[in-house]
Amino acid sequence: ETGVTQSPTHLIKTRGQQVTLRCSSQSGHNTVSWYQQALGQGPQFIFQYYREEENGRGNFPPRFSGLQFPNYSSELNVNALELDDSALYLCASSAPLTSGSSYNEQFFGPGTRLTVL
Amino acid sequence: AQKVTQAQTEISVVEKEDVTLDCVYETRDTTYYLFWYKQPPSGELVFLIRRNSFDEQNEISGRYSWNFQKSTSSFNFTITASQVVDSAVYFCALSEARSNFGNEKLTFGTGTRLTIIP
Repeated sequence: ETGVTQSPTHLIKTRGQQVTLRCSSQSGHNTVSWYQQALGQGPQFIFQYYREEENGRGNFPPRFSGLQFPNYSSELNVNALELDDSALYLCASSAPLTSGSSYNEQFFGPGTRLTVL
Repeated sequence: AQKVTQAQTEISVVEKEDVTLDCVYETRDTTYYLFWYKQPPSGELVFLIRRNSFDEQNEISGRYSWNFQKSTSSFNFTITASQVVDSAVYFCALSEARSNFGNEKLTFGTGTRLTIIP
């Protein structure tokens, strides 16, 4: 079973540019969440996608946007990059609930480290 | 609003010593989940444990144990007989529990960097 994968691994951009980060969810998972982890901090929730629809959003401006595709892979797009956007971006996927289950773990990918100069 | 506090920024212990990582949380929800994740230098978050707010039983898994106390809003993590491979950043996290969905957003603490000295 393939785990959560993210691409690219590292990325360097300049202020004002746009970036797209990609995430392939684990097989059988239909929910993808994105988190931003600044250096020395804990991950912060950006948004979550469930069956191609946004299902919850954290305290991030509209220039952070996303997509989920029919195969449940996902993209995170950030426009007008700022220096503070430099961070590790983590994607997590989880499976649909089954009978008798009240929670499904989120499995994280290795992240994309974005540096904005 | 939910909040997780990990007051210990960095801890160093000598190999084979026991170490406890503290976690204090705040939430208005009556039903919630608590988690511990490990983040090695590679960056990937590794799930360690999840506890339901209804279940205050302490848990032991090998060298790991967790002490959940609802009265003090704490969910502490102890590593017994620490090993060098335990060196990592450890995060405590909190999630609300909406019964119709099952994987709500995680609110993380700022993490504790644990260094095990050989």
